[in-house]
Amino acid sequence: DVKVTQSSRYLVKRTGEKVFLECVQDMDHENMFWYRQDPGLGLRLIYFSYDVKMKEKGDIPEGYSVSREKKERFSLILESASTNQTSMYLCASSRARGLANYGYTFGSGTRLTVV
Amino acid sequence: GQNIDQPTEMTATEGAIVQINCTYQTSGFNGLFWYQQHAGEAPTFLSYNVLDGLEEKGRFSSFLSRSKGYSYLLLKELQMKDSASYLCAVVNRGSTLGRLYFGRGTQLTVWP
Repeated sequence: DVKVTQSSRYLVKRTGEKVFLECVQDMDHENMFWYRQDPGLGLRLIYFSYDVKMKEKGDIPEGYSVSREKKERFSLILESASTNQTSMYLCASSRARGLANYGYTFGSGTRLTVV
Repeated sequence: GQNIDQPTEMTATEGAIVQINCTYQTSGFNGLFWYQQHAGEAPTFLSYNVLDGLEEKGRFSSFLSRSKGYSYLLLKELQMKDSASYLCAVVNRGSTLGRLYFGRGTQLTVWP
C-alpha cells in the first residue's frame, strides 16, 4: 500500500528553536508538498518540490525553509519557531503531471505546538 | 488566482442523503478532487472529475459542470462514520506540477 510517513505525530517546541519536520514517501513520486492546516483557514501551501534539490515557494513560505536531498524525503524546517507556527502540518506527494489521477497522497500529519 | 467556495458546515441524520456543493473560479481548469478528512487524520481521496457528469462510487457520487464552475459530492445512506470534513480541490492546467488548490472544507455532522 502506498505510504507517506511523517516522523512525528505530535511535537512541542520552544519559541526560537530550530524545528525539523520529516516526510518520507515510498511511491517514487516526483512531487512533494508541505501544507499547514488551521481552523477556518483550510490547507495553505508552504513549499513544494518537483525534483531532488528543487523547491518552489507556496503561498506562505515566510519563516520556513525546505530540503530535498533524496527523492523520497522532503523536510520542512522552521528556522526559529514562533507561537504563530503552532498548527497541523501535512505532507503530501503526487506523480508528475501528465499521468492520470495525479492527486495527492497525504501523510498523517504532525501537530506542532510552539510554547 | 483561484477561488473555491464550499459551505463551512452541514448537518444531516443517519440514513439521509446530503449534497455538498463546491463552486470554483479558475483559469485553465483541469480537474476537481474531493477528499474526506476525519478529525486529527490525513485527508483521503474520494473522487476525481475532469469531464462533465456524474461519477458514482458506492454510496458516494461526485458531479461536475465545467461550464458552471460547479461540483457536488452526494452522500447516500449516511452513516455516523461519514461525520468528517470534505475538501474540494481543483487543479489548474496552468498550475505548476499539478498543484491542487483547496477549498476551506465542509464539516459534515451526522446525527443518529
